[in-house]
Amino acid sequence: KAGVTQTPRYLIKTRGQQVTLSCSPISGHRSVSWYQQTPGQGLQFLFEYFSETQRNKGNFPGRFSGRQFSNSRSEMNVSTLELGDSALYLCASSLEGKGVTEAFFGQGTRLTVV
Amino acid sequence: QQQVKQSPQSLIVQKGGISIINCAYENTAFDYFPWYQQFPGKGPALLIAIRPDVSEKKEGRFTISFNKSAKQFSLHIMDSQPGDSATYFCAAEVSGGSNYKLTFGKGTLLTVNP
Repeated sequence: KAGVTQTPRYLIKTRGQQVTLSCSPISGHRSVSWYQQTPGQGLQFLFEYFSETQRNKGNFPGRFSGRQFSNSRSEMNVSTLELGDSALYLCASSLEGKGVTEAFFGQGTRLTVV
Repeated sequence: QQQVKQSPQSLIVQKGGISIINCAYENTAFDYFPWYQQFPGKGPALLIAIRPDVSEKKEGRFTISFNKSAKQFSLHIMDSQPGDSATYFCAAEVSGGSNYKLTFGKGTLLTVNP
């Protein structure tokens, strides 16, 4: 069974640009969550999607957005990039979310903003 | 407000020793407590998880101890091995609630010396 796949693995962008990251969950999983990981702040929740609906959103500015498609694949978008957006962006999938079933993480996308 | 506090920030243990990482939480609604292990360049991987209806859960060399009244839980790694060297994160979630997110501790960098 394939794991959670995130693409691309690495990205270098310039301040002011926008970026789209992709996440393919484990087959059959309908919940996809996104987290930002930085050395100073650790893992911080961005948002969670289930069956194409955003169920929860973390405390991030509106520049951070996401969506989920009917096949459960998810994308997150960051517009007007800032240097502070440099981080490892992690996607996690689970069958149902809500702590009922286990969450499995992808390897992440390392975003560097210069 | 940091809802899950993890300590220590780093830990050095000799091979064969016991590694102990502690976490404390504030939200009494949390009822799902997973531990994740992360190696450099990889996403976090679920190690072991506990729900508050039990005080201890053991899987191989890994044990979670849970103290509901103190709102604390800890990870014990018995017979620590160099291959256990990684960053460990505790987390908490309200299962079945409306938040649908894992709240993570800041992480503990474990180094097991040979």
